[in-house]
Amino acid sequence: QVQLQESGPGLVKPSETLSLTCTVSGDSINSYYWSWIRQPAGKGLEWIGRIYSNGNTKYNPSLNSRVTMSVDTSKNQFSLTLNSVTAADTAVYYCARIKRAGAIRYYYMDVWGTGTTVTVSS
Amino acid sequence: QSALTQPASVSGSPGQSITISCTGTSSDVGIYNFVSWYQQHPDKAPKVMIFDVTNRPSGVSNRFSGSKSGNTASLTISGLQAEDEADYYCASYTTTNTYVFGTGTKVTVL
Repeated sequence: QVQLQESGPGLVKPSETLSLTCTVSGDSINSYYWSWIRQPAGKGLEWIGRIYSNGNTKYNPSLNSRVTMSVDTSKNQFSLTLNSVTAADTAVYYCARIKRAGAIRYYYMDVWGTGTTVTVSS
Repeated sequence: QSALTQPASVSGSPGQSITISCTGTSSDVGIYNFVSWYQQHPDKAPKVMIFDVTNRPSGVSNRFSGSKSGNTASLTISGLQAEDEADYYCASYTTTNTYVFGTGTKVTVL
């Protein structure tokens, strides 16, 4: 079955750039929408944005100016960069797949990675 | 976009039914039937329990059910069990083609 795995530095300095990659195994990345979601410790989920396999993106307006997502179909990976980070960006970051069944598009996340913790600190 | 509003906590005894509300606006919950619910146990990734307001993915117990009225969606857990103790989040697609999550509800089984 499809599995997602986040990877990237666990520690990022303030004002620098956070970069994470999500590797998809067990299925092709093509023809799906993929999302990033984060969760600060003890707090709720926040949707960061989504990317389609053709590179089309949509971001949370509150993060729009700092977020970039990209996709590498040859590696079956998609990535997140968040620049000018502060302590408020410290969180567990999840990647997730938005469900699709054939030509039918759905609007929920059906497969999630296990999450990776990113701490912003000097 | 503002987070959807959920009660911070809900509790119930084993075997009882509980309902969690999720209040949004006419730009998200109220306009689309694209509300989903996620269960999250401590230090685990969220798991979808309900999608498109009322539908259960394969493998999810039929003790979980969803509904919607106006700008408020609801998740009901019937026959509450110890394993249902977790955090629950609603989410909705929005008119700006984004997603928004709820504030989260901690369910305690007494």
